[in-house]
Amino acid sequence: AQSVTQLDSQVPVFEEAPVELRCNYSSSVSVYLFWYVQYPNQGLQLLLKYLSGSTLVKGINGFEAEFNKSQTSFHLRKPSVHISDTAEYFCAPRDGGTALIFGKGTTLSVSS
Amino acid sequence: GAGVSQSPSNKVTEKGKDVELRCDPISGHTALYWYRQSLGQGLEFLIYFQGNSAPDKSGLPSDRFSAERTGGSVSTLTIQRTQQEDSAVYLCASSLRTAGEKLFFGSGTQLSVL
Repeated sequence: AQSVTQLDSQVPVFEEAPVELRCNYSSSVSVYLFWYVQYPNQGLQLLLKYLSGSTLVKGINGFEAEFNKSQTSFHLRKPSVHISDTAEYFCAPRDGGTALIFGKGTTLSVSS
Repeated sequence: GAGVSQSPSNKVTEKGKDVELRCDPISGHTALYWYRQSLGQGLEFLIYFQGNSAPDKSGLPSDRFSAERTGGSVSTLTIQRTQQEDSAVYLCASSLRTAGEKLFFGSGTQLSVL
């Protein structure tokens, strides 16, 4: 089964600054990778996913992530954050048809 | 229905009592998950149902926890002899069969054990 590590539990940044949320997973022959977001007082929703093909994937709200097989990483980035990006972000790798396991989450706090 | 429905939305119980939490997934979704969310613990996987296959129970924290899915649709998570550490938000999610499909989450059941 997959295991996942989100290296930062909290990331405080100022508005319009760039941000990177780090995610590492255990190695696998084939893996699907997901980032989910939970805005305050809302349910979880899919931000982006990597299944195959281009290693750079783009998601909603200007976020993107890069799949790096050699480093077993799938870091999430945004070049310029907004106050409204304040949320908790979860990385989730998946081997084939096994259960989707989430990381412990990273709280992104954007201030003005 | 239009989305994943969970009931009740809130449940307050006394330590030692049994509770049942219900999840009604999106029609046609063959995969169903239960997760637990508490402060500092992120999203903890509990159990995964996929079609008619044997469920993956590897995330259940103790034998006080069990879940069933009847007719490939509605699921019930049962916690016996509840403890204060069981207090958390219990989330249900469903998806289509293929592994690359996104999960649709319910709003959760906030369980408080006094």
